[in-house]
Amino acid sequence: SQTIHQWPATLVQPVGSPLSLECTVEGTSNPNLYWYRQAAGRGLQLLFYSVGIGQISSEVPQNLSASRPQDRQFILSSKKLLLSDSGFYLCAWRYGTTDTQYFGPGTRLTVL
Amino acid sequence: AQSVTQPDIHITVSEGASLELRCNYSYGATPYLFWYVQSPGQGLQLLLKYFSGDTLVQGIKGFEAEFKRSQSSFNLRKPSVHWSDAAEYFCAVVPNSGGYQKVTFGTGTKLQVIP
Repeated sequence: SQTIHQWPATLVQPVGSPLSLECTVEGTSNPNLYWYRQAAGRGLQLLFYSVGIGQISSEVPQNLSASRPQDRQFILSSKKLLLSDSGFYLCAWRYGTTDTQYFGPGTRLTVL
Repeated sequence: AQSVTQPDIHITVSEGASLELRCNYSYGATPYLFWYVQSPGQGLQLLLKYFSGDTLVQGIKGFEAEFKRSQSSFNLRKPSVHWSDAAEYFCAVVPNSGGYQKVTFGTGTKLQVIP
């Protein structure tokens, strides 16, 4: 069966510091991968999605970036964090044309 | 533009009572429909989904949802709520038009269960 991992689970970072969040999927190949952010009371916001290695689409312009160096690895990065980057970051995967997304456990990011 | 509305931000029910969470969508054609549940500090777990066919869909944890085309609704129900059902519930929609389509999520309904 397929599993999706995210790390770290929680992170506290100062403003202006860099960020790297990692997401990996096991048990599948060629998944579509997604990064969402969930801010308090604001639902889920799609940040990036990827349909293959090196292919990244950005939904919302901001100081975050994403990369997909391997088929089942998706990384969310920032060079300088802002207070507004605080939130709960969720990675999700979708296989082929099933249109169903499966979510990882999330990373709680607090920027101070 | 495609949208999903969950009109209830917060609902409180007694344990053992029935539950209905509302979801309405705005889209020209019948989309694919989903309900997810999120416990505090956790990721989203898929409860059920509707693609086509029988309009009453059974999911995990005793939940079901009914698709009503005439009302553009996909309400989630459970006959008897357990304390462990306390969580936030998200309705989601994907256009049924082939290729890659973005998932649109509702803003969520937070369920509180009282003894």
